[in-house]
Amino acid sequence: GAVVSQHPSWVICKSGTSVKIECRSLDFQATTMFWYRQFPKQSLMLMATSNEGSKATYEQGVEKDKFLINHASLTLSTLTVTSAHPEDSSFYICSAASGTGGYEQYFGPGTRLTVT
Amino acid sequence: RKEVEQDPGPFNVPEGATVAFNCTYSNSASQSFFWYRQDCRKEPKLLMSVYSSGNEDGRFTAQLNRASQYISLLIRDSKLSDSATYLCVVNGYGQNFVFGPGTRLSVLP
Repeated sequence: GAVVSQHPSWVICKSGTSVKIECRSLDFQATTMFWYRQFPKQSLMLMATSNEGSKATYEQGVEKDKFLINHASLTLSTLTVTSAHPEDSSFYICSAASGTGGYEQYFGPGTRLTVT
Repeated sequence: RKEVEQDPGPFNVPEGATVAFNCTYSNSASQSFFWYRQDCRKEPKLLMSVYSSGNEDGRFTAQLNRASQYISLLIRDSKLSDSATYLCVVNGYGQNFVFGPGTRLSVLP
């Protein structure tokens, strides 16, 4: 099946700093990449959808200036958490999909962010 | 009403049992349906897509009922390794994927 990688797998940072998370599709070209956040014992919450070469579409309640998404190529998307706060501590998961409509998503292994 | 609803469980079943999960969705324009499984502290993994005609993959059978707006997942001959959270995913108009809250399954020896 399709492989999606994420880096780093876990990160601890101090409050006020920024953290960049990379999401790569290794063996296919991802037209669309998604960023999710998952708090303990809760379901995945979609944060934003990004299409290669265009601006990301953010879900309601997600601050676009705080969570910067760049989808510069068909195999790479990045999420930068700016000025991180302890409440941003979460499991961030990206997924990638190819084609349009009715396609399957393949998830990266996730990045566990802890802000101290 | 939430867009995608699932019974959170947990479903505790003995090995070898048959267990079924249902998932209801509210958007009648939804086009694609999937079941994912998620192990604790891991990413979701695609289990199977759900087609209008229903589909089967080994011990797993998925069905779609558009009229009643639900999809189901049947697991036969449960294994210990089937213990996980099963997520129902619906792809609505405009490529918006919506995840259900998941149903937790524990298969007991």
